[in-house]
Amino acid sequence: DAMVIQNPRYQVTQFGKPVTLSCSQTLNHNVMYWYQQKSSQAPKLLFHYYDKDFNNEADTPDNFQSRRPNTSFCFLDIRSPGLGDAAMYLCATSRDLGREETQYFGPGTRLLVL
Amino acid sequence: DQQVKQNSPSLSVQEGRISILNCDYTNSMFDYFLWYKKYPAEGPTFLISISSIKDKNEDGRFTVFLNKSAKHLSLHIVPSQPGDSAVYFCAASANAGNMLTFGGGTRLMVKP
Repeated sequence: DAMVIQNPRYQVTQFGKPVTLSCSQTLNHNVMYWYQQKSSQAPKLLFHYYDKDFNNEADTPDNFQSRRPNTSFCFLDIRSPGLGDAAMYLCATSRDLGREETQYFGPGTRLLVL
Repeated sequence: DQQVKQNSPSLSVQEGRISILNCDYTNSMFDYFLWYKKYPAEGPTFLISISSIKDKNEDGRFTVFLNKSAKHLSLHIVPSQPGDSAVYFCAASANAGNMLTFGGGTRLMVKP
């Protein structure tokens, strides 16, 4: 029944070692989002895909990249993780971009950087 | 700078009483507001929303009030139930778009 799936739920990486987080959806939604949520802070939008169109938020560091090879999957790549990148990463989807389109969230991947 | 703020990190309420969660925003361009609920180990789930052309929206036990002049919204839960215990996030969007700016969340504990 899971609609937005994130694997793994916990990821440990080393300082500077590239890491990839994955998200998949069974909703066939056009839009996929990645959010970063640091401890006790607000989820912050990093970027989103509308179909294959990639849209980066202005203040998202270059260290963060994303790929969407098909409708169902979206990946978050962190090229050189720093200690400050330790956070919960949330993936979400919506059918379209209108403001009344509900965003459906996955359970998140908690990233630890050693 | 936080454009959406939830100043109370936690709230404790007795079962059957009213829970009131507050949210303030600074960006005048926000025209749509949402509340999400998050249980541990799960992603946030949509709860209720309100457009800036309204000042109240009700859905069962949940009511959201919007005061545009004060740039303030609140979520009322009546009556509160132990299953309502969760973290509640306020969010806002602008220009009829779907890009959400979230607040930091308020943890609600409803005691039996």
